[in-house]
Amino acid sequence: DTEVTQTPKHLVMGMTNKKSLKCEQHMGHRAMYWYKQKAKKPPELMFVYSYEKLSINESVPSRFSPECPNSSLLNLHLHALQPEDSALYLCASSRMGRGDYEQYFGPGTRLTVT
Amino acid sequence: GQQVMQIPQYQHVQEGEDFTTYCNSSTTLSNIQWYKQRPGGHPVFLIQLVKSGEVKKQKRLTFQFGEAKKNSSLHITATQTTDVGTYFCAGLAPGAGNMLTFGGGTRLMVKP
Repeated sequence: DTEVTQTPKHLVMGMTNKKSLKCEQHMGHRAMYWYKQKAKKPPELMFVYSYEKLSINESVPSRFSPECPNSSLLNLHLHALQPEDSALYLCASSRMGRGDYEQYFGPGTRLTVT
Repeated sequence: GQQVMQIPQYQHVQEGEDFTTYCNSSTTLSNIQWYKQRPGGHPVFLIQLVKSGEVKKQKRLTFQFGEAKKNSSLHITATQTTDVGTYFCAGLAPGAGNMLTFGGGTRLMVKP
């Protein structure tokens, strides 16, 4: 199974709402990532979890709060978002190890903030 | 910080023509990866290059890694409509752990 799943596929939320994005993989990968992608732009790294610990936070505003409950699951909690946060949110996973960082992406959650 | 530039941004080709996208890093890389994203889809891993001067082929796709490990290219021979999408290179810098830096992407459009 080389699949990364993400739910929901689409999400519309108001600026005062709290919502969560979920990501799951069963490939035994110990690195998991959140990316944000705007239209016609490359994926922009937000967070990296290595062995369930947050290892990289790319200066992401605190209204985005990641969580890694176990080695298969990754959540992104959203609170008080702004319209400019509307984007495709991609989750990815990879093995850990030197030079072996092929990333498997999920289909993404398309988020609209109204 | 590390930057990865990719050109061209867009390329329109007639089906059957060749296509090349180029990737240039501001720093020497440990390896470079290539991903393809179809319209409305998500990035899908194509290949990873690790060695200086490495050349790899996948059917009509040829990938090269420069001798200095700072640039790379993807060449598609005789494009097909199924090649439509955005091609991203992504570089991994030494000591960067598992943090890829993506190029801006080249959007390929193929006219049948």
